[in-house]
Amino acid sequence: DVKVTQSSRYLVKRTGEKVFLECVQDMDHENMFWYRQDPGLGLRLIYFSYDVKMKEKGDIPEGYSVSREKKERFSLILESASTNQTSMYLCASSTPGTENTGELFFGEGSRLTVL
Amino acid sequence: DAKTTQPTSMDCAEGRAANLPCNHSTISGNEYVYWYRQIHSQGPQYIIHGLKNNETNEMASLIITEDRKSSTLILPHATLRDTAVYYCIVRGFYNTDKLIFGTGTRLQVFP
Repeated sequence: DVKVTQSSRYLVKRTGEKVFLECVQDMDHENMFWYRQDPGLGLRLIYFSYDVKMKEKGDIPEGYSVSREKKERFSLILESASTNQTSMYLCASSTPGTENTGELFFGEGSRLTVL
Repeated sequence: DAKTTQPTSMDCAEGRAANLPCNHSTISGNEYVYWYRQIHSQGPQYIIHGLKNNETNEMASLIITEDRKSSTLILPHATLRDTAVYYCIVRGFYNTDKLIFGTGTRLQVFP
């Protein structure tokens, strides 16, 4: 089975802490994405990457950075966590379009609470 | 901003067809319509996608109007396990195209 694994299902951090959210996929996918999901706002794209060491800003990149040193791993970094970053974070991966459905495969999510 | 408009919520009786509408009046010629769903506490799951022809798979059917400005996702025999939030998304089909999710339609299937 294809799998996207997020390192932690639940995290509690304090304001100002540096937070790492890790995502690993075992499908050899080129594309990887980080979304956050909040009630009433749906999923919002933070960053995405379509190759190792490549990154592109999504719609809400402020306060976040990412790292893609290896094809299978895409990390989301909160340099200094704030309470408004309390959210559910979802990682996804996909292969490029044209040869396939362009389907996104999602992890189960990481629920982050910043106190 | 999402390029689609969906009703906030819908109900459907178990065993009946669930028809979920989506408006995408600004869709361009090279953009596809995708549908995903998210069951509570899980990540979203791909259902189906299409360009201009109607599509069917083991999960659902997708009906796209001739002018491509709207579409309908059909779950032919809804079950309680189909209770979820359904997202209609428009995107191009290139490597760098991203999926922009809106707030979706919350479908409640009742016994």
